[in-house]
Amino acid sequence: DQKVKQNSPSLSVQEGRISILNCDYTNSMFDYFLWYKKYPAEGPTFLISISSIKDKNEDGRFTVFLNKSAKHLSLHIVPSQPGDSAVYFCAGTVVTGANNLFFGTGTRLTVIP
Amino acid sequence: KAGVTQTPRYLIKTRGQQVTLSCSPISGHRSVSWYQQTPGQGLQFLFEYFSETQRNKGNFPGRFSGRQFSNSRSEMNVSTLELGDSALYLCASSPRTSVQETQYFGPGTRLLVL
Repeated sequence: DQKVKQNSPSLSVQEGRISILNCDYTNSMFDYFLWYKKYPAEGPTFLISISSIKDKNEDGRFTVFLNKSAKHLSLHIVPSQPGDSAVYFCAGTVVTGANNLFFGTGTRLTVIP
Repeated sequence: KAGVTQTPRYLIKTRGQQVTLSCSPISGHRSVSWYQQTPGQGLQFLFEYFSETQRNKGNFPGRFSGRQFSNSRSEMNVSTLELGDSALYLCASSPRTSVQETQYFGPGTRLLVL
């Protein structure tokens, strides 16, 4: 049972354009969501998070949007840079629960120079 | 500060063997979580240790076990290895046991079971 789904395994975007990565979740108890970025041969690194009390959180070029009614979140990267090429994982969890993140299967973003 | 380190980085075992993986968290971090990454399933939570106690366990068979030492270093053990155990095993550390604390991942141990 995949509680968090990333239906697009890959995405290619031109440098300078917007990258939009999507994520859906099934567990309505999730109230905290995170995005991680992973380069080859490295562990995932934290990118940005959002609490369910918000519908948007922004950090520089990265913005995460949360649509609770649709159980959907998205990560926008503007403008996209070649160094953004990586695998992006979204994760959901319950804040008051155990320290346990439920990850999606990842989307490989390729930014073309 | 040094990051999370995992040893070994690569490992080849045969079915039926057992394996022990090690994780050294960032200094001062007391929570260590383990995840299994496979191509079809993404990252799946194995267990979390905090102050030498297992706080939570994912949906994995009892062949997967772990422990944490007083210096917060953690080990995970897989007994009676199966082909399906081939994966990248990642550990992550955080200062406290809260999902709102950023988890810092190590580079992982890639295990191949033949």
